[in-house]
Amino acid sequence: AQRVTQPEKLLSVFKGAPVELKCNYSYSGSPELFWYVQYSRQRLQLLLRHISRESIKGFTADLNKGETSFHLKKPFAQEEDSAMYYCALGGSTLGRLYFGRGTQLTVWP
Amino acid sequence: KAGVTQTPRYLIKTRGQQVTLSCSPISGHRSVSWYQQTPGQGLQFLFEYFSETQRNKGNFPGRFSGRQFSNSRSEMNVSTLELGDSALYLCASSSLSTGAGGAGELFFGEGSRLTVL
Repeated sequence: AQRVTQPEKLLSVFKGAPVELKCNYSYSGSPELFWYVQYSRQRLQLLLRHISRESIKGFTADLNKGETSFHLKKPFAQEEDSAMYYCALGGSTLGRLYFGRGTQLTVWP
Repeated sequence: KAGVTQTPRYLIKTRGQQVTLSCSPISGHRSVSWYQQTPGQGLQFLFEYFSETQRNKGNFPGRFSGRQFSNSRSEMNVSTLELGDSALYLCASSSLSTGAGGAGELFFGEGSRLTVL
């Protein structure tokens, strides 16, 4: 069955440190992966999607089909990166987006 | 372009009552999805409507229902409210239907926070 797993509910790093938010998925078809972010008191919004292969706010994510992962990375975390991050899975046979339970990232000064 | 608008933003109900939440999508978007967000369960998919047709439904009881109008505005209704229905209900619009296999970007509203006493 299709599923998205974000193993870390909470993640804390210091400013300037690298950060990696993990996301694993299970889906037998061709996946489309997304990262959504929710900053404090703001609405949930798309951060990046694997098909665009671009860096947004310094974040990158590479789809690894062999490991069924789509980890979000940033080499130097900033305080403004503190937010809730959701990994989401889509696909032509799924009929909907599947979200992980989210990882709350806190970047300390 | 105006974003997704949800009303009301906050509401308090008592057990057994019913509630109707409204969502106005971004102009031109024909897909509206609804999610329930809670601290313990994260984002739980309720249903998606596209061009007034329900395209997909999540694992929620029949007390949860929805509809979409010809102008793409959508409403969801919860009848016979239970304490466990307390949550933030999010609406998201998209130009593509995820129920039809599309996976376009979802644009979320700020949500309607329901408290059931």
